[in-house]
Parts: sequence; structure tokens; C-alpha cells
Amino acid sequence: DAGVTQSPTHLIKTRGQQVTLRCSPISGHKSVSWYQQVLGQGPQFIFQYYEKEERGRGNFPDRFSARQFPNYSSELNVNALLLGDSALYLCASTLGAEETQYFGPGTRLLVL
Amino acid sequence: GIQVEQSPPDLILQEGANSTLRCNFSDSVNNLQWFHQNPWGQLINLFYIPSGTKQNGRLSATTVATERYSLLYISSSQTTDSGVYFCAVDPLTDYKLSFGAGTTVTVRA
Repeated sequence: DAGVTQSPTHLIKTRGQQVTLRCSPISGHKSVSWYQQVLGQGPQFIFQYYEKEERGRGNFPDRFSARQFPNYSSELNVNALLLGDSALYLCASTLGAEETQYFGPGTRLLVL
Repeated sequence: GIQVEQSPPDLILQEGANSTLRCNFSDSVNNLQWFHQNPWGQLINLFYIPSGTKQNGRLSATTVATERYSLLYISSSQTTDSGVYFCAVDPLTDYKLSFGAGTTVTVRA
């Protein structure tokens, strides 16, 4: 079975631009979570979606938004990019809302 | 929010050595997971262990939920064990998986 997939793998943007990152969960998984990992730190929770509803939100500004589609895939949108948004963005899926999380390979975003 | 502290921050081992990584957390949790992050950034599940002890090959983990800590044991370390090990907890009060800062393990041949 395919694991969690994310696209694109790498992305370069300039300040002020907008970016959309995509995630496809493991088949049958209904929950998707997004994390931001800055170099040298642990991942920081951004959002969790379960059955297309937002279930949790971390301490990130409103420039960050996400949604989950009927097929349980998800998009993370970041508007008005700042240099500090440069990071590895990780997506994880779980079968239910509170179970073992399986991570995708991540999207590396560089904001210039 | 919940605090997750991992120790030591860095660990250098000779191949074949054993080691113990520790994770302390500040509040009651629904679950605790250990991950290994490889040099390419991929996070690999090692254990889902809200309490008790589990073993998987040369790795084992113990969580004592009442005392709010977990230990990850690496035995007979190999160079492929190098990377960053993260502990992550899911608090009782919300749905935000919180990670520690990680322990960077370097295994030398």
C-alpha cells in the first residue's frame, strides 16, 4: 500500500506570495494533520482535520489555512509568505482521530 | 500547553554500544509516540506507547504514564541508527500532537 504522499517535494517562493501544499493520506485513513518543522527543531502542530472537519489548530497566524476534501486528501495554504515560513512542512495521516500518525516525506519550502 | 523535554540533546555512540533516551512530559496524555527522523527528513514511527513496554528488534520503549516519562533503548547500535529521535505526546485536553526538541544520535563505525 502507498504511504502518505505530499507534493511538491521542494518549492521556492518570494516574500508576499501564496503557496498551496498537498497531501494524500494512506488509503482508508480519515484524519490528516499538518506540521511545520524549522531547521534544528521538532515539528510544530498546525492543523488536524478529521472527516473533513477541523479538529485542532496550533498557534499559527490566520495566514495559514487548510481544508480536507471528500476523498480525505488535504491542502495547506499559506498567504503573504514571510522569510520565517521557510521550513519542512509535514503531513501525517491516521485511521481515526487519535491513533498512530504516519508521516509523509514533507515539502521543503524556501521563502526568499 | 504541554511541555515535552528530551534528553540528552546529542549522543555520540560507538557502533555496538547501548544507549537510553529519555522523554519527560508535563501533563497527562492520551498517547505517546517515538519517531526516528532520517537525514532526508522522513519521520518513521518506532513506537506507539501510551503506557507499558514494547520491543521491536534492537529497540525497546517504556512509558510510565503516572510519572510522566518515557524511555527509548537502543541496543547494539548500528550506523543506520543515526538520526534524530523525537518523542511526541497527545494531551488529554486537545488534539495537538506536541513534539520534543529531539535527541540527535550519531553512531560511529
